[in-house]
Amino acid sequence: DIVMTQSPDSLAVSLGERATINCKSSQSVLYSSNNKNYLAWYQQKPGQPPKLLIYWASTRESGVPDRISGSGSGTDFTLTISSLQADDVALYYCQQYYTTPQTFGQGTKVEIK
Amino acid sequence: QLQLQLSGPGLVKPSETLSLTCTVSGGSISSSSHFWGWIRQPPGKGLEWIGNIYYSGSTYYYPSLKSRVTMSVDTSKNQFSLRLSSVTAADTAVYYCARVDATWGPAYGLSPGGVDVWGQGTTVTVSS
Repeated sequence: DIVMTQSPDSLAVSLGERATINCKSSQSVLYSSNNKNYLAWYQQKPGQPPKLLIYWASTRESGVPDRISGSGSGTDFTLTISSLQADDVALYYCQQYYTTPQTFGQGTKVEIK
Repeated sequence: QLQLQLSGPGLVKPSETLSLTCTVSGGSISSSSHFWGWIRQPPGKGLEWIGNIYYSGSTYYYPSLKSRVTMSVDTSKNQFSLRLSSVTAADTAVYYCARVDATWGPAYGLSPGGVDVWGQGTTVTVSS
């Protein structure tokens, strides 16, 4: 299985400041034939199902605010919230879909400082 | 707008079979652009992929669950289902059904991608 490791496990950021979450895969999720990274990011708020934020490592899902962005390639990826809002308080997960079994990171909790 | 409605018992006895059904509304389960999937989340823990099914019936299962999992599709009812046999307390979780993008992947060709629509989830407790 591809192991997905997120860091940090939690972070507290002041409103309006930048939040950065890292995700590392145990093997590359970049498919050379199409130059796509098979990685998604999700946001989960308490009592709710996850919500897709980013796919192909950097493509924003429709309706996701542009303060949220994804970057990276190969084995190292980053989710950035450029200016944290109260609505961004949540758990964030990365997921690889390069191969099955699909695997998720352990999650990163984002809070307001 | 596509919606997923999950149904099934919230309490299952140990060694019995967990059965859940997800009804798709606002779209067709026979879409060639999507797989349909199941993901679970044990209490206080992260997300665990269970598997995916295509409308044709082809499946991908988590290897460690493969001997206990059966997924099926009923195109006439626009539903897909999960059966997990011989359950134990470790199977206690919130279970989600989901719509999954179909992508062209490196390992299997047409493969499940990211989840773009999630059902609300249902808590299943395994207890006598």
